[in-house]
Amino acid sequence: DQQVKQNSPSLSVQEGRISILNCDYTNSMFDYFLWYKKYPAEGPTFLISISSIKDKNEDGRFTVFLNKSAKHLSLHIVPSQPGDSAVYFCAASVETSGSRLTFGEGTQLTVNP
Amino acid sequence: DAGITQSPRHKVTETGTPVTLRCHQTENHRYMYWYRQDPGHGLRLIHYSYGVKDTDKGEVSDGYSVSRSKTEDFLLTLESATSSQTSVYFCAFWTGANYGYTFGSGTRLTVV
Repeated sequence: DQQVKQNSPSLSVQEGRISILNCDYTNSMFDYFLWYKKYPAEGPTFLISISSIKDKNEDGRFTVFLNKSAKHLSLHIVPSQPGDSAVYFCAASVETSGSRLTFGEGTQLTVNP
Repeated sequence: DAGITQSPRHKVTETGTPVTLRCHQTENHRYMYWYRQDPGHGLRLIHYSYGVKDTDKGEVSDGYSVSRSKTEDFLLTLESATSSQTSVYFCAFWTGANYGYTFGSGTRLTVV
């Protein structure tokens, strides 16, 4: 049972344009959502998070949107830069059940110069 | 180095041999995790620990065991390696709900 799903294995955008990465979840108990970025031969690194009490969180070029009714979140990167090329994982947790994260399959973002 | 290191970084081993991967953290975090990353599956939880000698199974724990005798060290053991355990293994500790995990750099394990 894949509780967190990223349906797009890959995404290619032009430098300067917007990148939109999507994530769907099935467990309505999830109350924290996070995005991680992963470069080759490195561990994933935290990018941005959002609590279920919010519908938007912004940090510089990165914005995460949460639609609880649709059980959907998205990560917007504006403007996209070649250095953003990486695998992006969305993750979710149920705060009251402890600290385990459930991850999606990942989306490979390629930003072309 | 974000306070967590994994060793070895790369390992090739033969089917049927035991293998131990080490995770070492320097920040005294209680909660630690082992994940594996495979194409099409993302990151899947193998085992986790909530403190010394307090461990539990994740979603893909078959064929793996862990030990945590000190707060700073979390060991993952493949008792008898199989080709299906060829993967990249990541260790992590929990930094709180807002930031989630800090990951190590990973161990690429190849079982031949």
